[in-house]
Amino acid sequence: EPEVTQTPSHQVTQMGQEVILRCVPISNHLYFYWYRQILGQKVEFLVSFYNNEISEKSEIFDDQFSVERPDGSNFTLKIRSTKLEDSAMYFCASRREQVNTEAFFGQGTRLTVV
Amino acid sequence: GENVEQHPSTLSVQEGDSAVIKCTYSDSASNYFPWYKQELGKRPQLIIDIRSNVGEKKDQRIAVTLNKTAKHFSLHITETQPEDSAVYFCAASIGGNSGGSNYKLTFGKGTLLTVNP
Repeated sequence: EPEVTQTPSHQVTQMGQEVILRCVPISNHLYFYWYRQILGQKVEFLVSFYNNEISEKSEIFDDQFSVERPDGSNFTLKIRSTKLEDSAMYFCASRREQVNTEAFFGQGTRLTVV
Repeated sequence: GENVEQHPSTLSVQEGDSAVIKCTYSDSASNYFPWYKQELGKRPQLIIDIRSNVGEKKDQRIAVTLNKTAKHFSLHITETQPEDSAVYFCAASIGGNSGGSNYKLTFGKGTLLTVNP
């Protein structure tokens, strides 16, 4: 069964450093998302991406965040200057169709900012 | 924006008993309601979903009910087994026919279900 894959599984970075989280969505999917889950809290929407552009972003997704689909397969989330409060599990998700269908989640990247 | 509340935050049942998890949503435009199961250290996985044009959906031991008027939906697990132990998340999404709609999911805070053998 096709899966969304994310790398790395765990990243530790120093405050102020840039990090790039990588995702490979399922190949025939068209809609891509990043969510994050701070330990013990709910999964929160960050950004959605369709047709090579951001379609919606949350208040969390400020100027420090950016997304890119550089080569038609990878979907990346960049945090330019990490803060302690960016520590969380980051999930990539993708879905195939516009009409409400299942969103498939990757296994997550645990980001720890020290 | 949409707000989803989920109760209870923890639920402990004996094997074989039923478990019920309830969620409410705020935006009447929401029309898609998935439930995800997340085992420790693993990805959220869809276990069942319901669209607003139906009131109930069942898949073996799992059922979901939706009350659009009251804006609440519930997950029912019957004959619980230890392998049902996990965190369960409800979510709501607004879908439509407008081009480029993002169908983002708004999640509840999750319910830690423990099934005791």
